[in-house]
Amino acid sequence: GAVVSQHPSRVICKSGTSVKIECRSLDFQATTMFWYRQFPKQSLMLMATSNEGSKATYEQGVEKDKFLINHASLTLSTLTVTSAHPEDSSFYICSARRGASADTQYFGPGTRLTVL
Amino acid sequence: AQSVTQPDIHITVSEGASLELRCNYSYGATPYLFWYVQSPGQGLQLLLKYFSGDTLVQGIKGFEAEFKRSQSSFNLRKPSVHWSDAAEYFCAVVILTGGGNKLTFGTGTQLKVEL
Repeated sequence: GAVVSQHPSRVICKSGTSVKIECRSLDFQATTMFWYRQFPKQSLMLMATSNEGSKATYEQGVEKDKFLINHASLTLSTLTVTSAHPEDSSFYICSARRGASADTQYFGPGTRLTVL
Repeated sequence: AQSVTQPDIHITVSEGASLELRCNYSYGATPYLFWYVQSPGQGLQLLLKYFSGDTLVQGIKGFEAEFKRSQSSFNLRKPSVHWSDAAEYFCAVVILTGGGNKLTFGTGTQLKVEL
C-alpha cells in the first residue's frame, strides 16, 4: 500500500509556456501533500505544503505565483509551473502523507521538467 | 537550527561487504528519523523509520538503523551489500512546526558497489 503516482514522468516545453504536474495517492487518502524540487546531485528542497481544500504554504524563496499548487481532493494535488523558463528545469517530486502529523511521507517517482 | 548531516558524500564498497552510512542530526527534542533510497531518475523509497521504542530498527532490503541519542546519530547498516544497492541514500528528520511537520533531508550519500 501507500503508492503515489506522478504524471507526466517527463515533460519538455518551450520557454513561456505553463506545465501542470499531477500527483495522486492511489490507495490512500492524503491529508497533506508536499512538493519538492531536486537539482542534479543535490538533496530535495521543499517547495510547498498542501492541505486538501486549503491554500498551500510555500517555503521562503518560492514564488507562489510561479508555482501554483492545487489540492482539490484527498487523492490529487497539482503543481503548475507558469511561464516556465530554462532555470525552472529540474526534477519535481511530490509526496503524500495520510495520517498524523509525524506520519510517513510516501514519494512519487518524480517528474523531469526541461524548459527549452 | 535543526539540521541533518550526512558526512560522506560518496562511499564505495565491494559487493558482499558490510555497509554503514552515517547520519547525524541536530534537534532539540526526540526526532522522528527516516532513511530513504533514490535510484537514478526515480523518486524516494522508504527504507525504514524510527519514531520511538526499540532503537534498532529493521527495514526493507536487509537494511537496519540504530538510533543513538547520546551521539545524535541514526546510522544505516547492511551486513552484505548487493550490486543493486547502488543508489543515493538520504537521511531525513521530521521537524515539528506549527505550520505543518516537514521533512528535512541530509545532503545524501552516493553508494557505489564494486563487483
